[in-house]
Amino acid sequence: SQQGEEDPQALSIQEGENATMNCSYKTSINNLQWYRQNSGRGLVHLILIRSNEREKHSGRLRVTLDTSKKSSSLLITASRAADTASYFCATDGANNLFFGTGTRLTVIP
Amino acid sequence: DTEVTQTPKHLVMGMTNKKSLKCEQHMGHRAMYWYKQKAKKPPELMFVYSYEKLSINESVPSRFSPECPNSSLLNLHLHALQPEDSALYLCASSQDQGQDEQFFGPGTRLTVL
Repeated sequence: SQQGEEDPQALSIQEGENATMNCSYKTSINNLQWYRQNSGRGLVHLILIRSNEREKHSGRLRVTLDTSKKSSSLLITASRAADTASYFCATDGANNLFFGTGTRLTVIP
Repeated sequence: DTEVTQTPKHLVMGMTNKKSLKCEQHMGHRAMYWYKQKAKKPPELMFVYSYEKLSINESVPSRFSPECPNSSLLNLHLHALQPEDSALYLCASSQDQGQDEQFFGPGTRLTVL
């Protein structure tokens, strides 16, 4: 399976703290994306990082990519209660995306 | 308009019913997708349409039948479903099939009795 693995499966932090979640994948990629999903809703695209990039920022988000280790991390700084959601990494496969197992983030006010 | 809409939001159906899920986008995207998502799991790809033609069918049972009437619309026809088909069904679109960012609809929560 090309599905990525994310860890931790669940993460609970206090508001204002940073949250880090990791994604490992198995095959070569052209890019890696991160999505957020609020409970029972559709996914929202957060950020895309290409295979020739090592780090990318978007607001409070910082994504790193290490293609030699086939891994990526998503850092959310200064977390807010509204960041409570599931976060999925997605790698590009044969004309489609493959979603990782997801990390459930809970930010406690 | 950067929105993907899905109807209905919720659907309850018996195993002998026939129903359809609908998805619409007006972003000019040429690829549209159906995903199935069970609780606490990632979305699983079911079908991909590219330029209104079925591009990928991930070995989905024939009780699920996709249809793409035009470049903006995507339907999923349901017939003789099983209780294990209960899930959140997500529609998505992207500029082209493959690596692009996908835009997701809010999903249809399906319950099969």
